[in-house]
Amino acid sequence: GAGVSQSPSNKVTEKGKDVELRCDPISGHTALYWYRQSLGQGLEFLIYFQGNSAPDKSGLPSDRFSAERTGGSVSTLTIQRTQQEDSAVYLCASSLVLGGSSTDTQYFGPGTRLTVL
Amino acid sequence: LAKTTQPISMDSYEGQEVNITCSHNNIATNDYITWYQQFPSQGPRFIIQGYKTKVTNEVASLFIPADRKSSTLSLPRVSLSDTAVYYCLVGDTDRGSTLGRLYFGRGTQLTVWP
Repeated sequence: GAGVSQSPSNKVTEKGKDVELRCDPISGHTALYWYRQSLGQGLEFLIYFQGNSAPDKSGLPSDRFSAERTGGSVSTLTIQRTQQEDSAVYLCASSLVLGGSSTDTQYFGPGTRLTVL
Repeated sequence: LAKTTQPISMDSYEGQEVNITCSHNNIATNDYITWYQQFPSQGPRFIIQGYKTKVTNEVASLFIPADRKSSTLSLPRVSLSDTAVYYCLVGDTDRGSTLGRLYFGRGTQLTVWP
C-alpha cells in the first residue's frame, strides 16, 4: 500500500507567518510521530500520537508549535509566528503498534522542508 | 531516556565489510536496539532491530554483547549505494513507558568510495 505522505514538500514563508504541515500516515497505523531535522543534525522528537490517548507533547520546542490528529488518521503540525530558527525538515512517521515490549518500526514520510525568511 | 554514542563518520570502499559500533551504557531492561538508515532528502528507513546476541536479515547483521551496553551494525560487502547516515536507537515504545520518545542522535555518516 501507499507509504506515509507529507505536504507540502517545500514551504517558504516569511518570519511571523503561520504555517501548517500535513501528514497522511499509512492506513491502519495507530501511532504517528513528528520530528524536526535541522541541517546536518539528527532527528529531534516533537510529538507522538497513539490511538485516542492524549498526545505526548513533551518534545514541542515552544508554545508556537501545536499538532492535532483528526479521526485517528491525518495529522497537522502548526507553527505560529514562525522564526528563522524554525527552518528545518519536518518529518512525519507512523507505526503499527503491536503491543508487547518491542520497539515498533517507524515508517517515515519524505518530509517538508520549511524555510523561514 | 537512554541515549547513544556513535562515530560521527566512517569511510569504506566497495566490497568491504563495515562495522558501526554504538554505545548505550544506560540501556534499560525493556529497551530494544534499532538501527535506521537515512539517505539525503529522505526520511529514515528501518534496517534491523534486536534485543540480545545476534540478529541477521537480508540487509545487515546486528551483534549485541551480553551486557547490552553496546551494539554493532555489520554491513557485508558495501556498495556505493550504502552511503548514508546510520542511526542507532534504544527505546521501548510499549505503552506506559517512553511512549515513542526515541532519541535519534546525529548518527554515523558512512561514505563508500569506489
